Amino acid sequence: SAVISQKPSRDICQRGTSLTIQCQVDSQVTMMFWYRQQPGQSLTLIATANQGSEATYESGFVIDKFPISRPNLTFSTLTVSNMSPEDSSIYLCSGLRGPQTFQETQYFGPGTRLLVL
Amino acid sequence: GENVEQHPSTLSVQEGDSAVIKCTYSDSASNYFPWYKQELGKGPQLIIDIRSNVGEKKDQRIAVTLNKTAKHFSLHITETQPEDSAVYFCAAPKAAGNKLTFGGGTRVLVKP
Repeated sequence: SAVISQKPSRDICQRGTSLTIQCQVDSQVTMMFWYRQQPGQSLTLIATANQGSEATYESGFVIDKFPISRPNLTFSTLTVSNMSPEDSSIYLCSGLRGPQTFQETQYFGPGTRLLVL
Repeated sequence: GENVEQHPSTLSVQEGDSAVIKCTYSDSASNYFPWYKQELGKGPQLIIDIRSNVGEKKDQRIAVTLNKTAKHFSLHITETQPEDSAVYFCAAPKAAGNKLTFGGGTRVLVKP
């Protein structure tokens, strides 16, 4: 399995502020993704983090709210901007191992638990 | 896009009994179906997956079956133990690519 770490593991933030979450993966990972998991809910894909270029966002998510960077193969950041209480969620980083032409296994980090007051 | 439905949303079983969770998907081109277990305070952990060229896969007490014609797949846990208590998610790829669509999750409680 891939080794994926995230930090911070949790945070409590004030509305209107921004938080940057970091994700570090091992060198076997090719693609990286960011998900949101609202309290008691399933996982929703926010975007695909592309190395050295703009992330690819899913419907309902925009770059101004969730800017993502991936400066190299093994590191990515997700920023939650201008936070409101509705942004209180678990944010999960995941990595895909194997050739991009095949559907390979996605592994998840431990998540960042965000509470916005 | 892919739509994945998962049932039941909660499941309570007696220790030692079996648990079955079912998922249906909409995209007939989907060819990979993973199952994840999420314990409280942790990220989802892959427990088993199946590809469309097989109908069943087993790993000790867990098994997954796939019916491509009916577009559904199921997770079977036998001889359940208290440590099996968690939330389980099924998933299927969007448009047979690498992005996953997740089911709504099943909260499993194994009573000792």
